[in-house]
Amino acid sequence: DVKVTQSSRYLVKRTGEKVFLECVQDMDHENMFWYRQDPGLGLRLIYFSYDVKMKEKGDIPEGYSVSREKKERFSLILESASTNQTSMYLCASQTANYGYTFGSGTRLTVV
Amino acid sequence: KNQVEQSPQSLIILEGKNCTLQCNYTVSPFSNLRWYKQDTGRGPVSLTIMTFSENTKSNGRYTATLDADTKQSSLHITASQLSDSASYICVVSAFGGNKLTFGTGTQLKVEL
Repeated sequence: DVKVTQSSRYLVKRTGEKVFLECVQDMDHENMFWYRQDPGLGLRLIYFSYDVKMKEKGDIPEGYSVSREKKERFSLILESASTNQTSMYLCASQTANYGYTFGSGTRLTVV
Repeated sequence: KNQVEQSPQSLIILEGKNCTLQCNYTVSPFSNLRWYKQDTGRGPVSLTIMTFSENTKSNGRYTATLDADTKQSSLHITASQLSDSASYICVVSAFGGNKLTFGTGTQLKVEL
């Protein structure tokens, strides 16, 4: 089974801090994604990457950046965390038949 | 604008009963439709994926249907169990497969 691992289940950070969310997949997939999930809004795409060092903005990239230095690792960076970035963050990796596998999620609280 | 709408927003049923969740979409050109189950505080887990040519797919007690003409899908859960309590999310992909449109989910609670 494909495994997508997010490094933290829960994080609490202060406003203005730089925050790194890490995601690792073990199936050599090209495509990886970062979403945030908020009540009543569903999942919204922040960024995605289709290869090492390649990235594309999603629907809500403002306030975020990403890094993909190795194929298996896709990092989401909050340059200066704000309270409106308190959310559940989900990483996904795309399988060959267009199926997605999601990580367990990181619940980030910015205080 | 691509949209996915799910109904009902929430549902409470008794253990052992069946239920059906609905998904209507306006995504075009259609590529595939997926149903995910998301337990509280966890990431979504895939239940089914259907392409244009498929109109039904089962995964244990879960059966998904797709009517590509009316752009509707349903997820039927048979003989519900307490462990079925979760959010069920309908996700539609436009042709090309990389960008998904998510519904906001149906929150199902199964009670004794």
